[in-house]
Amino acid sequence: QKEVEQDPGPLSVPEGAIVSLNCTYSNSAFQYFMWYRQYSRKGPELLMYTYSSGNKEDGRFTAQVDKSSKYISLFIRDSQPSDSATYLCAMGSNYKLTFGKGTLLTVNP
Amino acid sequence: KAGVTQTPRYLIKTRGQQVTLSCSPISGHRSVSWYQQTPGQGLQFLFEYFSETQRNKGNFPGRFSGRQFSNSRSEMNVSTLELGDSALYLCASSSGTTENIQYFGAGTRLSVL
Repeated sequence: QKEVEQDPGPLSVPEGAIVSLNCTYSNSAFQYFMWYRQYSRKGPELLMYTYSSGNKEDGRFTAQVDKSSKYISLFIRDSQPSDSATYLCAMGSNYKLTFGKGTLLTVNP
Repeated sequence: KAGVTQTPRYLIKTRGQQVTLSCSPISGHRSVSWYQQTPGQGLQFLFEYFSETQRNKGNFPGRFSGRQFSNSRSEMNVSTLELGDSALYLCASSSGTTENIQYFGAGTRLSVL
């Protein structure tokens, strides 16, 4: 079983839709949880990070962590064509991040 | 504040050669991590350096090595290149504390022919 599993997508939605991206993990040692966005031919860009179960909101983005179920989610409200990118979940412990394989999101105008 | 800078951006090498990639972290950051990104395997952790010491290592062969200098700049070396080493190599910097929020550079795209 992989340490981090991410819904592979790809995901295609109309502009304005609510997007839900999800990851599950098996390693209970993970202490912090992050979401990155990666545009084509660019490095990953940090979107959200959290260290505890619950919700964290930043503008149109909400990160949700459920440590008991080993499940994290990223919600994007009012999605825009500029949100079209690959979204990577990442989980960390001991100064090392373990990434999901990424979900390719396309938001159609 | 300048971000993470990786050089060169693109490299073409042939099998058997060696290559050195460079990473300059965000000013004040003392930790540098290296990752390999391929379409099939995604982002995989290579190693992490903090204050010139390797603090953590992934599951890559010994052909992959790195080092960090006193100014926190880091280099990664791959010897005896194989076709399968073709990938985007990403460097990330962080403060090195337990928070470990990592910020990535644009990467070096290596093609091995």
